[in-house]
Amino acid sequence: KAGVTQTPRYLIKTRGQQVTLSCSPISGHRSVSWYQQTPGQGLQFLFEYFSETQRNKGNFPGRFSGRQFSNSRSEMNVSTLELGDSALYLCASAPDRISGNTIYFGEGSWLTVV
Amino acid sequence: AQSVAQPEDQVNVAEGNPLTVKCTYSVSGNPYLFWYVQYPNRGLQFLLKYITGDNLVKGSYGFEAEFNKSQTSFHLKKPSALVSDSALYFCAVRVNSGNTPLVFGKGTRLSVIA
Repeated sequence: KAGVTQTPRYLIKTRGQQVTLSCSPISGHRSVSWYQQTPGQGLQFLFEYFSETQRNKGNFPGRFSGRQFSNSRSEMNVSTLELGDSALYLCASAPDRISGNTIYFGEGSWLTVV
Repeated sequence: AQSVAQPEDQVNVAEGNPLTVKCTYSVSGNPYLFWYVQYPNRGLQFLLKYITGDNLVKGSYGFEAEFNKSQTSFHLKKPSALVSDSALYFCAVRVNSGNTPLVFGKGTRLSVIA
């Protein structure tokens, strides 16, 4: 079974631009979560989608948004990029929203804002 | 609110010696606890979890963790460390109801020295 796939793996953007990151969950998984990882802040929860609906949202500004499609694939978008948005963005999937489920992570998308 | 503390940023251990990576948690309710490992430039890999039942949980690569409710701890252990265990380890918690997101500690970098 293929794991969680994230694209692109690496990208460089300029301040003020916007970026879209893509995530394909494990086949059959319907819950997708996004996390931001930085050296200073560790792993911070961005949002979770299930059945094309945002179910949970972390404490990030409105520049960070996401969506989920009917095939469970998800995208996140960051508009008006700032230098501080440079981070590893991790997507994770789970079969459903049962709390005891393990969430499985992709390799991440490395975003550098210059 | 839920939170995780990993009190050590760095743990150094000699190859062949036992290792412990510490984790304490705070939740309102009963916890589900997880350990993940991250190798350089990779996503997070699931190691083990505690949901219910036996307090000693065994996971991948010879790792185990003990749930201690009175001390609100979930320390990760391995009887004999390998150089290949050198990585960044994350403890995570979620409460067992309400579909809250998984909350991660800051991570502990483990270095196993040959």
